[in-house]
Amino acid sequence: QVQLVQSGAEVKKPGASVKVSCRASGYIFTSYYIHWVRQAPEQGLEWMGIINPTGGSTSYAQKFQGRVTMTRDTSTSTLYMELSSLRSEDTAVYYCARGGPFARLPGDVWGQGTTVTVSS
Amino acid sequence: DIQLTQSPSFLSASVGDRVTITCRASQGISSYIAWYQQKPGKAPKLLIYAASTLQSGVPSRFSGSGSGTEFTLTISSLQPEDFATYYCQQLNSYPFTFGPGTKVDIK
Repeated sequence: QVQLVQSGAEVKKPGASVKVSCRASGYIFTSYYIHWVRQAPEQGLEWMGIINPTGGSTSYAQKFQGRVTMTRDTSTSTLYMELSSLRSEDTAVYYCARGGPFARLPGDVWGQGTTVTVSS
Repeated sequence: DIQLTQSPSFLSASVGDRVTITCRASQGISSYIAWYQQKPGKAPKLLIYAASTLQSGVPSRFSGSGSGTEFTLTISSLQPEDFATYYCQQLNSYPFTFGPGTKVDIK
């Protein structure tokens, strides 16, 4: 079945970077865009960006420009989201979600989430 | 960026009630709207996309409508498993923003 399995929880200090992975299985990896979404504790959903696994092209929310990098490894069907210069406000659950063959389709299958805690 | 507002923010309802949630966009987004359900500690679940298309496997008591700037999610007969928070998301233009959410609680 279609699955996205994310890496485990992380605890980071302010100023550090975190790299979250999302391993896809059960479908043709290069045929579907991947969204990255985060949710701070007791808060709503926040869209961070999108990657096209075919060529690796990305679009990031302005808020994260310069701090986020989304990449993919087609040999292992794995997506990565790296966030740098972490601050306490980046404490959140980070999700990857499979979109569609076109960018304007929503996430129909979601990873289980990766909790990132930023604390000194 | 396109801003989405949802109303109400909180809704108290009983099993069997008809529930309607509204999502308004700050500018026209055609039909590029999706609706999600999220339960505590879980990832969001896609319910509706393209404003009115029911995602595979989602019960038919869920329906969506609207175009342009105003959209609705309707649950025709609320079931115990429907108590959750609901989010809309626009996919018309980057960034693909979410609404603030509507929490549906048990009356």
